[in-house]
Amino acid sequence: NAGVTQTPKFRVLKTGQSMTLLCAQDMNHEYMYWYRQDPGMGLRLIHYSVGEGTTAKGEVPDGYNVSRLKKQNFLLGLESAAPSQTSVYFCASTTPKTGPLDTQYFGPGTRLTVL
Amino acid sequence: QKEVEQDPGPLSVPEGAIVSLNCTYSNSAFQYFMWYRQYSRKGPELLMYTYSSGNKEDGRFTAQVDKSSKYISLFIRDSQPSDSATYLCAMSGMDSSYKLIFGSGTRLLVRP
Repeated sequence: NAGVTQTPKFRVLKTGQSMTLLCAQDMNHEYMYWYRQDPGMGLRLIHYSVGEGTTAKGEVPDGYNVSRLKKQNFLLGLESAAPSQTSVYFCASTTPKTGPLDTQYFGPGTRLTVL
Repeated sequence: QKEVEQDPGPLSVPEGAIVSLNCTYSNSAFQYFMWYRQYSRKGPELLMYTYSSGNKEDGRFTAQVDKSSKYISLFIRDSQPSDSATYLCAMSGMDSSYKLIFGSGTRLLVRP
């Protein structure tokens, strides 16, 4: 099993450009999450999904959109990138079957720089 | 004020030392507490979790929760250079989405 994979690993964008980050998991997990990690800020939740076709806002959703068309994929979109969106983005997934203490499995991250 | 406060460090200790990492929180709705370890340029991985006050031990690691003081700790005994990483505390309430609130992380360096 590959676990959680993220595409791309690195990306440089110019202000105003758009892009989509792809997260894929092969563990048949229902729940998926997108976080961003900035120095001194820890991980902050952007959007999450508790099932195929459902999404919800997290702590810092502005400037991002998401879609969960397939259970195994969770896409994060930036419609018009801004320098404030320079960050490392992590995707995570988990299953609700054993309760809230079931681990969230994280992907390796995408390093995004917006010039 | 952040819901979860964590000293960013860095914390530098000699090999074999006992390490104490701590977080405080303000939201009394938090019921579940976790510690994640993150190596440089990697994703976080779950190290330990607990949902009650008291201690939980796993090998060289002990997680401690004091809900009355809203304070959690992670102790590492006989620290090794391989323990050098960033340690993130995370918390969750009864929300069925299992959303986690993370501390900012403490960077630990264990010197050989």
